[in-house]
Amino acid sequence: EPEVTQTPSHQVTQMGQEVILRCVPISNHLYFYWYRQILGQKVEFLVSFYNNEISEKSEIFDDQFSVERPDGSNFTLKIRSTKLEDSAMYFCASWTSGGTDTQYFGPGTRLTVL
Amino acid sequence: QKEVEQDPGPLSVPEGAIVSLNCTYSNSAFQYFMWYRQYSRKGPELLMYTYSSGNKEDGRFTAQVDKSSKYISLFIRDSQPSDSATYLCAMSAKKSGTYKYIFGTGTRLKVLA
Repeated sequence: EPEVTQTPSHQVTQMGQEVILRCVPISNHLYFYWYRQILGQKVEFLVSFYNNEISEKSEIFDDQFSVERPDGSNFTLKIRSTKLEDSAMYFCASWTSGGTDTQYFGPGTRLTVL
Repeated sequence: QKEVEQDPGPLSVPEGAIVSLNCTYSNSAFQYFMWYRQYSRKGPELLMYTYSSGNKEDGRFTAQVDKSSKYISLFIRDSQPSDSATYLCAMSAKKSGTYKYIFGTGTRLKVLA
């Protein structure tokens, strides 16, 4: 069974610090996503990435956020200056297309901003 | 009115029952409709997605979209205790360079053995 991996599983940071959340999507997938889920709240879409550029982004994904696929395998989400309200579970997902379309989520990174 | 409304439950059913999960929405621009299953402390798992109106079946799961009523459903036949999870609906539409991709709050389902 293919799987998406995410590191770290839990990140604690001070307000104003930069964090980088890392994801390794499934190797032959083409579309990559970041979502977040604040504790007890609904899942929120942040951004999708295709062909080495952002294809869609939500209103949440402001200038504090950026994504990269630096080496063809890792997919990262950077938050430049974290705020308390950025504390959430961050999920990476990848999507295959052509034939059996499906989306696989990683286990998530819990980000705690103090 | 919220863009996507989903009854949070919890919904408890006996094993073998047919489960009906529903979402309503207000934005007629939504084109893709998804259902996810999320177990406690895990990432969501895509169960089904549908483009525009109609039905889609996959094993014990059937997704229905009624765009005229702005109503989507997920049916689970022969429900099993392993189906106990939170079920999330989600819908998407493009708008002016940003992407609306809205999740419901999720319905907690418990299937009793």
